[in-house]
Amino acid sequence: QTVVTQEPSLTVSPGGTVTLTCGLTSGSVSTANHPSWYQQTPGQAPRTLIYSINTRSSGVPDRFSASILGNKAALTITGAQADDESDYYCLLYIESGIWVFGGGTKLAVL
Amino acid sequence: EVQLVESGGNLVQPGGSQRLSCADSGFSFRNYWMGWVRQAPGKGLEWVANIRQDGGETYYVDSVKGRFTISRDNAKNSLYLQLSSLRVEDTAVYHCVQWLLQNNYYYMGVWGKGTTVIVSS
Repeated sequence: QTVVTQEPSLTVSPGGTVTLTCGLTSGSVSTANHPSWYQQTPGQAPRTLIYSINTRSSGVPDRFSASILGNKAALTITGAQADDESDYYCLLYIESGIWVFGGGTKLAVL
Repeated sequence: EVQLVESGGNLVQPGGSQRLSCADSGFSFRNYWMGWVRQAPGKGLEWVANIRQDGGETYYVDSVKGRFTISRDNAKNSLYLQLSSLRVEDTAVYHCVQWLLQNNYYYMGVWGKGTTVIVSS
């Protein structure tokens, strides 16, 4: 069974840059996996951050960007701010109509 | 702006059933794939099921196959999830999602706030 991997937790300093990654236990992430990214703060519904590889949803600041880096999808926050402290999830299409979320990355801004 | 509002979540005993509903306030419900995503307490997001625009194609995560049924009524702008043979591990907030397509990439573009299902004796 294919698992989508993410770093369980990361820390970034205010104003710093951090990259979150999203991989597959079997194979490389490609455009065929339709990678997208979602942000969730405690008690809230998830919010769509980035889709179509690197298109930001309406209202998402341009300090958020995404790409495919090597064999993984990546979300980069450049100039992190305190309110970026959230859980971040990637979503990948696997096959035959099946989608899988990564386990999520808890990002601390300290 | 499209809004998705879920309802139907409740406390149910193991082995029981429940039907979740999602009302779409938009005018183009029938044009989109729809789905359900759940989140167990303290856990991450889990995609549960999808349904095609005309209801003719459905997909499920393995853990709910044979127990959950996704359906839709385009005349009522509504999405449903019938939960059966419920297990304690099905306890979660269930979110309704609308899939969007941009540049040939699918993504979950609209999220409901969710409805809570608790399976407990």
